Amino acid sequence: DAMVIQNPRYQVTQFGKPVTLSCSQTLNHNVMYWYQQKSSQAPKLLFHYYDKDFNNEADTPDNFQSRRPNTSFCFLDIRSPGLGDAAMYLCATSRLLPGGTDTQYFGPGTRLTVL
Amino acid sequence: GDSVTQMEGPVTLSEEAFLTINCTYTATGYPSLFWYVQYPGEGLQLLLKATKADDKGSNKGFEATYRKETTSFHLEKGSVQVSDSAVYFCALSEGPQGGSEKLVFGKGTKLTVNP
Repeated sequence: DAMVIQNPRYQVTQFGKPVTLSCSQTLNHNVMYWYQQKSSQAPKLLFHYYDKDFNNEADTPDNFQSRRPNTSFCFLDIRSPGLGDAAMYLCATSRLLPGGTDTQYFGPGTRLTVL
Repeated sequence: GDSVTQMEGPVTLSEEAFLTINCTYTATGYPSLFWYVQYPGEGLQLLLKATKADDKGSNKGFEATYRKETTSFHLEKGSVQVSDSAVYFCALSEGPQGGSEKLVFGKGTKLTVNP
């Protein structure tokens, strides 16, 4: 089945130690997104790629970076995680159609714990 | 900017009860509307969607109708089951910005169904 895969499902890191979260997709979608979801809150968009074009949200901290080496993979790098970065990180993909909207499909998420 | 307001939770129902979760939106254009469901510890799953006024989305016994005149997209189910216990997010998809689209989520409504 075509799908969005996130690895690992659970990640523990230490305060200030860089961490990378991975997302891959078999849907061949040209748009990939990263969301941060803190406990009992709505997902918050961090940034997205349209193909290789990177679009950062205005309020995303510089501590968060992303890479998309090819259509299938996208990475979220947290350069110096703080306690406040503990959250569920959700990857999503979608297809941009001419003049129309498309649905975003989400992966299962990676739960990040910062010690 | 665009926004989504959904019914505050938590909502607790008995099995086979009728469910309504209210959702209203503010948008400058003609957004697509979505309901996503998040089971404990998991990512978001698309439950249903509607892309234009008067469209009805339906899935797994859930329904929601896109009402432009009242800017609403209320979620309903005639008879809930214990397995429906989850957090439900209403969302809208904004128009193309920078070549891609962005989901705006409500805060989520936690539903608990008791046997």
